[in-house]
Amino acid sequence: DGGITQSPKYLFRKEGQNVTLSCEQNLNHDAMYWYRQDPGQGLRLIYYSQIVNDFQKGDIAEGYSVSREKKESFPLTVTSAQKNPTAFYLCASKGSLAAFGEQYFGPGTRLTVT
Amino acid sequence: SQKIEQNSEALNIQEGKTATLTCNYTNYSPAYLQWYRQDPGRGPVFLLLIRENEKEKRKERLKVTFDTTLKQSLFHITASQPADSATYLCALDGRNRDDKIIFGKGTRLHILP
Repeated sequence: DGGITQSPKYLFRKEGQNVTLSCEQNLNHDAMYWYRQDPGQGLRLIYYSQIVNDFQKGDIAEGYSVSREKKESFPLTVTSAQKNPTAFYLCASKGSLAAFGEQYFGPGTRLTVT
Repeated sequence: SQKIEQNSEALNIQEGKTATLTCNYTNYSPAYLQWYRQDPGRGPVFLLLIRENEKEKRKERLKVTFDTTLKQSLFHITASQPADSATYLCALDGRNRDDKIIFGKGTRLHILP
């Protein structure tokens, strides 16, 4: 089956710890995205990557870091510098050949930091 | 700054009726507008895309309109069913490959049996 996988579905961490969220896709998409979703809020873009070894900050990149060493993988690290890390995190990808097109989303990871 | 608004946080519709959701935007000229469905605790799923030069798009019981003069899109679900209950997100997409998609906060639709 083609799609995007995120793991784990639920993640619990203590304050002050870094945590890495996994995102893998087998859709052969060049573009990948990380969003954060809070209750009553829209999706807010954290980071995105159009090609391997390249990525750009989104609207709320502070306290997060990413890497894109492989086309299929785009892990997100939530660092201890992120002031309010508890949220629902969504990874998405998009085919790169067209300037437009739908995004395919993973199932999400719900991160709780206490 | 770019702004996208969906008409209401929640909408209750009687089963069998047509549900209409609104998406308004300002300070943006999207080339495309998309609608997604999101169920609780899950990622959004793409439903429809409409281009700026298209007035209307249909897919089964779904219909989307796009008025670039009013800067508004309407999303209709005809013959609504309880299974249509979900949050629906509107998203704007630009003309360039590097443009980021901008999402609205969504409207929670409840279809009442």
